[in-house]
Amino acid sequence: AQKITQTQPGMFVQEKEAVTLDCTYDTSDQSYGLFWYKQPSSGEMIFLIYQGSYDEQNATEGRYSLNFQKARKSANLVISASQLGDSAMYFCAMIPSHRMGGATNKLIFGTGTLLAVQP
Amino acid sequence: NAGVTQTPKFQVLKTGQSMTLQCAQDMNHNSMYWYRQDPGMGLRLIYYSASEGTTDKGEVPNGYNVSRLNKREFSLRLESAAPSQTSVYFCASGARTKGEQYFGPGTRLTVT
Repeated sequence: AQKITQTQPGMFVQEKEAVTLDCTYDTSDQSYGLFWYKQPSSGEMIFLIYQGSYDEQNATEGRYSLNFQKARKSANLVISASQLGDSAMYFCAMIPSHRMGGATNKLIFGTGTLLAVQP
Repeated sequence: NAGVTQTPKFQVLKTGQSMTLQCAQDMNHNSMYWYRQDPGMGLRLIYYSASEGTTDKGEVPNGYNVSRLNKREFSLRLESAAPSQTSVYFCASGARTKGEQYFGPGTRLTVT
């Protein structure tokens, strides 16, 4: 079954420290895409970062990086130098059968991790 | 650019009432999606539209209908609302390159 698992319901981190949010996935497809979204308390869903299954390098976007371990089927999000504004719910998501340019790329979401950044 | 817009932001319905949630995107994306978000369950796909004129069921389609009015607009209709449909509803549109989806601000629906 195609599934995303986020085992950390909540996490705390001190401001300016790095934090890793865990995500494991299950798919039998060879071509898939992995995504992270941020949902602050205001409710909107914000796209953060993408990793394709055939990408050889880990994706990075500013302070966000994705620690992609294909053999372990894990796609952990690393946030460096945490800021108070990083406090939010974070969702890992997958398109399990991903075709570039495909019109039916349906996202499967995990249940999320609530991150609290402490001053 | 407004991105993805949704109306209304909040709605309270009585059981059995009907309503339509509106969604529009100005990013020229072909694909559009409706999700619901319930506590502890992440987002679940209700319906999607790969292109203008096509719609397909997602994971939880029962009790909903959709219309892809044109490339910009994708509406979600509840014909006879039930308390189990109390949720936050998100519309999204999808880029064709990586497949990332961009979300509207959500509609918080309560059915009493």
